[in-house]
Amino acid sequence: GAVVSQHPSWVICKSGTSVKIECRSLDFQATTMFWYRQFPKQSLMLMATSNEGSKATYEQGVEKDKFLINHASLTLSTLTVTSAHPEDSSFYICSAPPGQGEGYEQYFGPGTRLTVT
Amino acid sequence: AQSVSQHNHHVILSEAASLELGCNYSYGGTVNLFWYVQYPGQHLQLLLKYFSGDPLVKGIKGFEAEFIKSKFSFNLRKPSVQWSDTAEYFCAVNAGGATNKLIFGTGTLLAVQP
Repeated sequence: GAVVSQHPSWVICKSGTSVKIECRSLDFQATTMFWYRQFPKQSLMLMATSNEGSKATYEQGVEKDKFLINHASLTLSTLTVTSAHPEDSSFYICSAPPGQGEGYEQYFGPGTRLTVT
Repeated sequence: AQSVSQHNHHVILSEAASLELGCNYSYGGTVNLFWYVQYPGQHLQLLLKYFSGDPLVKGIKGFEAEFIKSKFSFNLRKPSVQWSDTAEYFCAVNAGGATNKLIFGTGTLLAVQP
């Protein structure tokens, strides 16, 4: 099946700094990628839809100035957590479908654990 | 707004027991339905999906799910679980159309005792 990677898998940063997380589709092109956040023992919460060549679409309640998303190419989307605070500590997961529209499942990355101290 | 609910948050079974995990969604239109599994330390993997056709869907590892439109349900079943089925199971819904956006349920943690 299709493979989605994330980098880094784990990052610790100090409060006030910014952290960039990469999501790559390794063997397919993805015009759309999705970013989720997963709190311990909770479900995945969709944060935003990353669109190649255009602005990301954010879900209600997600601060777009805090969580900057850039879909630089058909195989790479980045999520930058700006001015991180301890409450941003979480598990961030990306996914991508290998095609557009209905009929495509999503492939998930392994996730990035962010700890803000 | 769409929502997905999973009623069982934590299920403990013995090996060979039968499994049924409930999933209900709220959306009046056409939906695509998924069950994903997350084994300990691993990423989400697709178990099965329903887009159209036969409402009884068979997936990997002996899992199946039945879409009952009148009940807005998509329950996951397995006749005989194994210790290796210990994982977290997520039901997800996509409202179709041009977007592949998924809305996830809260997840069910399944522990199978040998």
